[in-house]
Amino acid sequence: EPEVTQTPSHQVTQMGQEVILRCVPISNHLYFYWYRQILGQKVEFLVSFYNNEISEKSEIFDDQFSVERPDGSNFTLKIRSTKLEDSAMYFCASSEGQGGYGYTFGSGTRLTVV
Amino acid sequence: AQRVTQPEKLLSVFKGAPVELKCNYSYSGSPELFWYVQYSRQRLQLLLRHISRESIKGFTADLNKGETSFHLKKPFAQEEDSAMYYCAPRGIQGAQKLVFGQGTRLTINP
Repeated sequence: EPEVTQTPSHQVTQMGQEVILRCVPISNHLYFYWYRQILGQKVEFLVSFYNNEISEKSEIFDDQFSVERPDGSNFTLKIRSTKLEDSAMYFCASSEGQGGYGYTFGSGTRLTVV
Repeated sequence: AQRVTQPEKLLSVFKGAPVELKCNYSYSGSPELFWYVQYSRQRLQLLLRHISRESIKGFTADLNKGETSFHLKKPFAQEEDSAMYYCAPRGIQGAQKLVFGQGTRLTINP
């Protein structure tokens, strides 16, 4: 069964550093997403991406965040200057279509900012 | 505003007992409804979606548009059902996001 792949599985970074979280969505999927889950809290939407542009972003997704699909296969989330409160599990997801199509999630990247 | 309420943060039942995980939603339009499950240390997995009216691992969910509810049920719980369960509506137009509830941690006691 096709999978969404995320790397690295765990990243530790110092406050103020830039991090790039990488995702390889399922190849025939058209919609891409990033979510995060702070320990003990619910899964929160960050951003959706379709047709090479951001479709929607949450208030969490401020100027420190950016997404890119540089080569038609990878989908990256960049945090320019990490803060302690960015520590969370970050999930990438992709979807084949709208509405009734569910998402396929990656296994996540645990980001720890120290 | 889009909102999902899963009133039980924790739910504990005995093996073989019926299980019901509640979900109420507030969402403009007529969203599609999903349940996702997250087993310990694993990724979020799609459990079932309303549109396909399927039963997965013995779980079913009935959409009640009048009550805006999408409760998840299983008649006889099994130990391997212990996991975190999330209810999530999704808009039907465009790249509409899934909106997750707080989740219910289900524990099945032997």
